[in-house]
Amino acid sequence: DPKIIQKPKYLVAVTGSEKILICEQYLGHNAMYWYRQSAKKPLEFMFSYSYQKLMDNQTASSRFQPQSSKKNHLDLQITALKPDDSATYFCASSQLGGSETLYFGSGTRLTVL
Amino acid sequence: QQKVQQSPESLSVPEGGMASFNCTSSDRNFQYFWWYRQHSGEGPKALMSIFSDGDKKEGRFTAHLNKASLHVSLHIRDSQPSDSALYFCAARMDSNYQLIWGSGTKLIIKP
Repeated sequence: DPKIIQKPKYLVAVTGSEKILICEQYLGHNAMYWYRQSAKKPLEFMFSYSYQKLMDNQTASSRFQPQSSKKNHLDLQITALKPDDSATYFCASSQLGGSETLYFGSGTRLTVL
Repeated sequence: QQKVQQSPESLSVPEGGMASFNCTSSDRNFQYFWWYRQHSGEGPKALMSIFSDGDKKEGRFTAHLNKASLHVSLHIRDSQPSDSALYFCAARMDSNYQLIWGSGTKLIIKP
């Protein structure tokens, strides 16, 4: 059973629209992350959250907003979508103070037309 | 800006051969290192962590860390077609939890 669930697996959006990427982790970890992967940047850190609080934000654009309704959920809302946002978005989790190894979901591939 | 330089960009190795990857960090404060592997269509998965100088061996995989030279490497012996993937190193400092990632090495194992 996958321990980190990302939905949807594939997403097609039109320029200017808004989408929410879903992530839930069932590993009991205390930290969650969003990463982006594209041909331009192999693996780009976006956000980290611990106990539903933002730890680090490396995303320049405010169009990307993480949302944490529960400690094992970290969704990613993207507004005013642009073709350049096309990428695969990975959610990950880890146990800070433990092994700290990141566990990744299988990703959401976003295509913006 | 803290960086982790990874090389080579791509690597082709015959089946049964040795594959080697390298990462050099820009800052002596990097203390903890990981190697991750990503197969096509999947998320990255951790292969190994190494926090102390020297070698760490797990099956066919050996990681080597030399903090003085800011260098960490990964070696895969007896490479298999299933080892074909993208390999990343990642490092973090003692002072914060942020992971710094290398740019990745694409490994192709030729049957």
